[in-house]
Amino acid sequence: DAGVIQSPRHEVTEMGQEVTLRCKPISGHDYLFWYRQTMMRGLELLIYFNNNVPIDDSGMPEDRFSAKMPNASFSTLKIQPSEPRDSAVYFCASSLGIGQGVFYEQYFGPGTRLTVT
Amino acid sequence: GDSVTQMEGPVTLSEEAFLTINCTYTATGYPSLFWYVQYPGEGLQLLLKATKADDKGSNKGFEATYRKETTSFHLEKGSVQVSDSAVYFCALSDSGANNLFFGTGTRLTVIP
Repeated sequence: DAGVIQSPRHEVTEMGQEVTLRCKPISGHDYLFWYRQTMMRGLELLIYFNNNVPIDDSGMPEDRFSAKMPNASFSTLKIQPSEPRDSAVYFCASSLGIGQGVFYEQYFGPGTRLTVT
Repeated sequence: GDSVTQMEGPVTLSEEAFLTINCTYTATGYPSLFWYVQYPGEGLQLLLKATKADDKGSNKGFEATYRKETTSFHLEKGSVQVSDSAVYFCALSDSGANNLFFGTGTRLTVIP
């Protein structure tokens, strides 16, 4: 299996531009997670999906951020308009499931390093 | 709320030295505890886990024991290698919760 695939690996954009990050989860995984990693705040969960449906988006910082999962093999995280404080590494992860008292390992992609100037 | 506090880095050790990275947690339920490792340019990988008190997780020479009395899950390795250079994250998943709470990460550099 190729693992979780993210693109692009690096993105540099100017403030005010729209940015779209992409993720392909591992085939057969029903859960998909988007995380953001910064020096100041560490690793934060932004949103996660189950069977393509957003379940918890309480970590999405503001309305400029949106995420979609049109099918089981593709998800996007969009920032519009982007701001310099959005500069971070964005990770996508997928897992077989989640549940009470049971842990399903989350497999992480390599991340997208976003720089907004 | 749930949280994880881990030892701040960076940590620099010579090859074959003993490693300890401290991690303590706060949780409302009965959490499972994890250590993830992030090698340069890569995503996080699960290193080891423990799902209940007194469990010991181990992998690749690394160990961590779930201590409920001290709410700790310290990572140890008896003899580090240059290839262990990475960032290590302590994390928890609370019973009934649906996500992972991560610590801030500790960067380890092992020099020959």
